[in-house]
Amino acid sequence: AQSVAQPEDQVNVAEGNPLTVKCTYSVSGNPYLFWYVQYPNRGLQFLLKYITGDNLVKGSYGFEAEFNKSQTSFHLKKPSALVSDSALYFCAVSSSSGTYKYIFGTGTRLKVLA
Amino acid sequence: GAGVSQSPSNKVTEKGKDVELRCDPISGHTALYWYRQSLGQGLEFLIYFQGNSAPDKSGLPSDRFSAERTGGSVSTLTIQRTQQEDSAVYLCASSLDAGDGETQYFGPGTRLLVL
Repeated sequence: AQSVAQPEDQVNVAEGNPLTVKCTYSVSGNPYLFWYVQYPNRGLQFLLKYITGDNLVKGSYGFEAEFNKSQTSFHLKKPSALVSDSALYFCAVSSSSGTYKYIFGTGTRLKVLA
Repeated sequence: GAGVSQSPSNKVTEKGKDVELRCDPISGHTALYWYRQSLGQGLEFLIYFQGNSAPDKSGLPSDRFSAERTGGSVSTLTIQRTQQEDSAVYLCASSLDAGDGETQYFGPGTRLLVL
């Protein structure tokens, strides 16, 4: 069965510092990995995805993520956090096993402190 | 261009009443999904439509939940005889096609409160 784990409910980081939001996954078949961000009372906004190719994926708002097959991880990173990055972040996975629905992690709340 | 839209944005209803939630996908997107976001439950898949194919209903939590998609565009999620545990945010998403790795674009959601 497919699953996604976001081990941290909340991550606090000072503005200007690098940030990492962790995600690990378990799928049968090739994984397709996604990061979304959710601001209060808003829907999910797509940040980036990994399908194939280069393990380092760059996305919106300066975010990037690194696919690590051996560690089954897809951590979200940003070199310098902004207060406006404070939001709820979701990792999701689908796979080449033929189902198109996303399986989501439980979300990580990122708090960037000024 | 226009994104996924959902209506109403908020819905308060009494236990036992039926509710209908509407989703307008991005124009030209053939695949449409419904998810539910509950406190303590995260985001869970409900149902998926692709073109004229039979929908994947595997995520619907009970037979009180149903959905249809008319003309391959607008979708309606219906919850009959609502219960308090149905209170959640219902999110709709669409993608250009159905396929592994396709990006899903989400609407703002309908916040449902069952009293």
